[in-house]
Parts: sequence; structure tokens; C-alpha cells
Amino acid sequence: DAMVIQNPRYQVTQFGKPVTLSCSQTLNHNVMYWYQQKSSQAPKLLFHYYDKDFNNEADTPDNFQSRRPNTSFCFLDIRSPGLGDAAMYLCATSRAKNSGRVNEQFFGPGTRLTVL
Amino acid sequence: RKEVEQDPGPFNVPEGATVAFNCTYSNSASQSFFWYRQDCRKEPKLLMSVYSSGNEDGRFTAQLNRASQYISLLIRDSKLSDSATYLCAVNTGGFKTIFGAGTRLFVKA
Repeated sequence: DAMVIQNPRYQVTQFGKPVTLSCSQTLNHNVMYWYQQKSSQAPKLLFHYYDKDFNNEADTPDNFQSRRPNTSFCFLDIRSPGLGDAAMYLCATSRAKNSGRVNEQFFGPGTRLTVL
Repeated sequence: RKEVEQDPGPFNVPEGATVAFNCTYSNSASQSFFWYRQDCRKEPKLLMSVYSSGNEDGRFTAQLNRASQYISLLIRDSKLSDSATYLCAVNTGGFKTIFGAGTRLFVKA
């Protein structure tokens, strides 16, 4: 089945120790997103890729970086995790229409990050 | 004012009840609208897109009111398995979709 896969599902890191979260998709969607979601809050968009074009949200901290080496994979790097970065990190994909509008987003199962 | 707002609930309803949620959005230029369901500690899953003419999928009906800038979700004949958080999502143009914080629904036997 076509899907969005995230690894690991649970990640524990120490304060300040870099961590990388990964996302892969078999949907062949051209747009990939990273969201941060804290308990009882809305998923907050960090950045997205449209093909290779990277778009950072204005309020995404510099501590967060992303890479998309090919259509199928996307990585979220947190360079120096702080206690406030503990959250669920969700990867999503969608297909952009020629009109520039996007279809629905499909989410991976998320990575729950704990910072000690 | 938040761009997308939802009543956090919780809504506690008995099995078989009809329940409705609203979601307001602030950007009048918003183009696409969606409802997602999110179970506890899981990812959001698309429930349905919301079309201008309204749309129905089984027990679920979604409506869009552009004049008043809100979307609604109606669930008929609630099941225990409908217990979840329902997120609305609004595409404001381009690739950015803004999510609401969700409305929690508990369906009890």
C-alpha cells in the first residue's frame, strides 16, 4: 500500500544533542511537509518542499533544518534540541495541482521526541 | 485572532446522537477546506474535503459557509468509534494549510 513512513517512531535525546528524524513516502507526491504538534495543540507547519524548492516558515527556529535528497525521502534535523522541542513531529505529503493548489495531505505516523 | 479556530470541547454525546462542530477561519481568500480525524497520540487522518456545495460521506456531512467564513461537520448516529479529536484545516493559498487545534468528541454507551 502507498504510504508515508516515519522513523523512528519514538526518539529520546539529551538536551543539546543533535537528532535526525526521517520520512519516506511511496505516494510519489511532490510536496512534503514537516509539522510540530504539542499536546492539545494544532499541528504547526515548520517547512515544506515543493519538489526541491525549500520553504521555511517565518517563525521556524534556526535550530530546525531539513533535507530532501530525492522525491521519496525527507529529513528533519534538530541541531541542538531544547526541552521545548519535545513534541510529536509529523511528516505529510500532498500532490500539487497545476493550478498551484494542493490536494489533501497524508500524514505519517509521527515521531514522538523526548528531550532529557 | 487565530487563523483557524475551533471549540476545543469536549463534546460528550450518547451513542446514536447527532453532533455538529464548527470551525471559523479568518482569511477570506482561503481556497480549500478539510476535516481530519486524530486519535490520541496518532497522526491526523483525512476524513473529508469540504466543497462549496457541501458534501456527504455516510454519516458525515461537511458544509462550507464562505459568507460567514466557517466550515461545519455533522456526524449522525454517533458510534463509540467516532470518539476522537476532529481537526479542521484551511488552505490559504499556495502550499500552506493551517490546522485548528481540534474539537474533542467522546461518544459514550
